[in-house]
Amino acid sequence: GNSVTQMEGPVTLSEEAFLTINCTYTATGYPSLFWYVQYPGEGLQLLLKATKADDKGSNKGFEATYRKETTSFHLEKGSVQVSDSAVYFCALSDRRTSYDKVIFGPGTSLSVIP
Amino acid sequence: NAGVTQTPKFRVLKTGQSMTLLCAQDMNHEYMYWYRQDPGMGLRLIHYSVGEGTTAKGEVPDGYNVSRLKKQNFLLGLESAAPSQTSVYFCASSPWTSGAQEQFFGPGTRLTVL
Repeated sequence: GNSVTQMEGPVTLSEEAFLTINCTYTATGYPSLFWYVQYPGEGLQLLLKATKADDKGSNKGFEATYRKETTSFHLEKGSVQVSDSAVYFCALSDRRTSYDKVIFGPGTSLSVIP
Repeated sequence: NAGVTQTPKFRVLKTGQSMTLLCAQDMNHEYMYWYRQDPGMGLRLIHYSVGEGTTAKGEVPDGYNVSRLKKQNFLLGLESAAPSQTSVYFCASSPWTSGAQEQFFGPGTRLTVL
């Protein structure tokens, strides 16, 4: 079945450090890939997405590239800020096998310290 | 637009009591979902609906029931609450045009069962 694996947290970084959160997936079809972010006390919100291989999603300084050959969708940001402290979820939606559902990874907690 | 709203925000129940969580969306979305979020387990799908009058089971449906009598509302019921149902519950909706591509989340309901 379809699944998403993320690096375990929590991740603690100093302000302006480089961020990478690893995400790999297993899917039988042709999935779309997503990163959602959950700020403290709030629901999840879409951060970025990519719908086919080699697509790059970007938003708010975050980027992720859909790599079919390595089944990965790693999240990166060049310089994190304290306001980026949140939980980040990698997710996939596979039109062929589960068109109406999104599979979420377990989430990676990020803390950015001044 | 209010987006996705959830009522109540917090609730404490005793074992065996019943309650209903209400989710409302004003975006005319076809798809609606109920998730629970527990530490270390990410998001788990309880039930979902692909349109008014339809419901389907997700990953962890036992102990819960749902109804979608109106397109804008999706109710989650607990008939006899158990301590294992202590969790944060999130509702989400998604437009039909994108399938399950992007989900819009409510702020969550924190439920404690004593």
